[in-house]
Amino acid sequence: TQLLEQSPQFLSIQEGENLTVYCNSSSVFSSLQWYRQEPGEGPVLLVTVVTGGEVKKLKRLTFQFGDARKDSSLHITAAQPGDTGLYLCAGAYNFNKFYFGSGTKLNVKP
Amino acid sequence: KAGVTQTPRYLIKTRGQQVTLSCSPISGHRSVSWYQQTPGQGLQFLFEYFSETQRNKGNFPGRFSGRQFSNSRSEMNVSTLELGDSALYLCASSFRTDSGNTEAFFGQGTRLTVV
Repeated sequence: TQLLEQSPQFLSIQEGENLTVYCNSSSVFSSLQWYRQEPGEGPVLLVTVVTGGEVKKLKRLTFQFGDARKDSSLHITAAQPGDTGLYLCAGAYNFNKFYFGSGTKLNVKP
Repeated sequence: KAGVTQTPRYLIKTRGQQVTLSCSPISGHRSVSWYQQTPGQGLQFLFEYFSETQRNKGNFPGRFSGRQFSNSRSEMNVSTLELGDSALYLCASSFRTDSGNTEAFFGQGTRLTVV
């Protein structure tokens, strides 16, 4: 059983569309991070959210942390082919032990 | 600043052999964590080292072990390899931010194939 559930697992959209990826848990985390991973490479940190209700923007990406710090969402506006990859959320628990969600595989078609 | 460096990038081993993977963290980072990534199980935490001591451990058998040296470099060892050990092994170097949170930066990983 995954501590962090991500949905959807797969997403295939056309360039220019908007999308939202969800990360849910029954546990409270001190912080939550989002990563993007390309095939054969390590995950790259996109953002860290810490405060319940926090919203962070990174160009066309908007990250939100739930009020209770159990869930988070990633919204991409006007997706581009360069956004293609595996998006992972990770909850920080007990120093540097991270629990990762199963990931959302995004494919943006030109 | 150089990123996290993992060597080797690719490795092919035979069942029953053992393997050692290496990770050099970002300069100044004292915490190194190891993860196993497979298509079926996703990213799973193996263990974390801080100042040469194992501080956290995941649910993996004793065949998986690690260590950290005084310069923060870390090695991971898997003995008596099984086919199911085929995976991408990722090392993450972490530091605590000014606000007290931890951020992890990953290496490119070592792709281990057991045949």
